[in-house]
Amino acid sequence: GNSVTQMEGPVTLSEEAFLTINCTYTATGYPSLFWYVQYPGEGLQLLLKATKADDKGSNKGFEATYRKETTSFHLEKGSVQVSDSAVYFCALLQGGSEKLVFGKGTKLTVNP
Amino acid sequence: DTAVSQTPKYLVTQMGNDKSIKCEQNLGHDTMYWYKQDSKKFLKIMFSYNNKELIINETVPNRFSPKSPDKAHLNLHINSLELGDSAVYFCASSPGTGRTEQFFGPGTRLTVL
Repeated sequence: GNSVTQMEGPVTLSEEAFLTINCTYTATGYPSLFWYVQYPGEGLQLLLKATKADDKGSNKGFEATYRKETTSFHLEKGSVQVSDSAVYFCALLQGGSEKLVFGKGTKLTVNP
Repeated sequence: DTAVSQTPKYLVTQMGNDKSIKCEQNLGHDTMYWYKQDSKKFLKIMFSYNNKELIINETVPNRFSPKSPDKAHLNLHINSLELGDSAVYFCASSPGTGRTEQFFGPGTRLTVL
């Protein structure tokens, strides 16, 4: 079945550090890939997405590139801020399915 | 305007009780979902409805019964609550084309004592 594996957290960084959160997936065909963010006490918000191979999703300084050859969708940001502290979820949606499959989430804490 | 709303935000109840969580979306979407987030933050889909019809029913105990009176509403009724039902429940909606994002509500934190 489809699955998403993301790096174990928690991740703690200082402000302005570089962020990478790894995400790999297992799926048949060509799923759409997403990063969602959950700020403390809130629901999930879509951060970025990519719907086909080599697409790059970007938003708020975050980027992720859909790599079919490595089945990966790693999240990166060049300079994190304290306000980026949240839990980040990688997810996939198989074409023709309505079932969003999530990774286990990675908690990021950014210290001033 | 709130896109996907849920009530209540917090729900504390005793084991064995029956409770409901309500969800409404004003996005005009055809598909709605319920997800459960456990204490380790793991998110798993429970149900999905498309135009009031059930399309996804993951292996969820039959104490959980979703009801969709119209395509803008998807309520979750839980009978005979158990300690293990304690979690955050998220409602979501999407246009239902299979490749688009899902929009999530703020969540309902259910605590069963």
